Amino acid sequence: GQQVMQIPQYQHVQEGEDFTTYCNSSTTLSNIQWYKQRPGGHPVFLIQLVKSGEVKKQKRLTFQFGEAKKNSSLHITATQTTDVGTYFCAVSVYNNDMRFGAGTRLTVKP
Amino acid sequence: DAGVIQSPRHEVTEMGQEVTLRCKPISGHDYLFWYRQTMMRGLELLIYFNNNVPIDDSGMPEDRFSAKMPNASFSTLKIQPSEPRDSAVYFCASSFMWDGSGGYTFGSGTRLTVV
Repeated sequence: GQQVMQIPQYQHVQEGEDFTTYCNSSTTLSNIQWYKQRPGGHPVFLIQLVKSGEVKKQKRLTFQFGEAKKNSSLHITATQTTDVGTYFCAVSVYNNDMRFGAGTRLTVKP
Repeated sequence: DAGVIQSPRHEVTEMGQEVTLRCKPISGHDYLFWYRQTMMRGLELLIYFNNNVPIDDSGMPEDRFSAKMPNASFSTLKIQPSEPRDSAVYFCASSFMWDGSGGYTFGSGTRLTVV
């Protein structure tokens, strides 16, 4: 079946340090989405990537979609305490619904 | 739009009781999804609807779980009888497309505790 691996499972950083989470699939994806869930909250849509090699930026967040459309990354530059939460990728294989990765839990020490 | 609305926010019930979770999707979204989130299993898709019709219920864990969508603005997820292992946060989400193009909008969730 469709497998999506998200690494790392946890990441603890000092405020101001960078953070990256990776999402890897065993199959070619039609698109990938990223979500953020604050502690006690619900997943909130951040962005969608569709094209091979696509790179999108949202302020300090940079999202990349691999050339083979099997992997993606989310990079946060100079983390802040407001970045705390769990970051999920959600993947769609052609003609199938979205499946969520296990998430990367980010904690930021002030 | 007020977003996806779920009720109740919290539910504590005794084992064996019936539990009904409710969801109002965003108007105009044709797809509605029910997810369950636990520490052990993460976010699991239980079932999703398109235009009020159930499309894929392969994630529904057992016959104790059932979901309905009688109209475009309302869906329920029912557990009967409930068991302690059903304790989780249940999210409802809606979107324009099945693959979430443009993103899924999640409700605030229902935290279910079965004792």
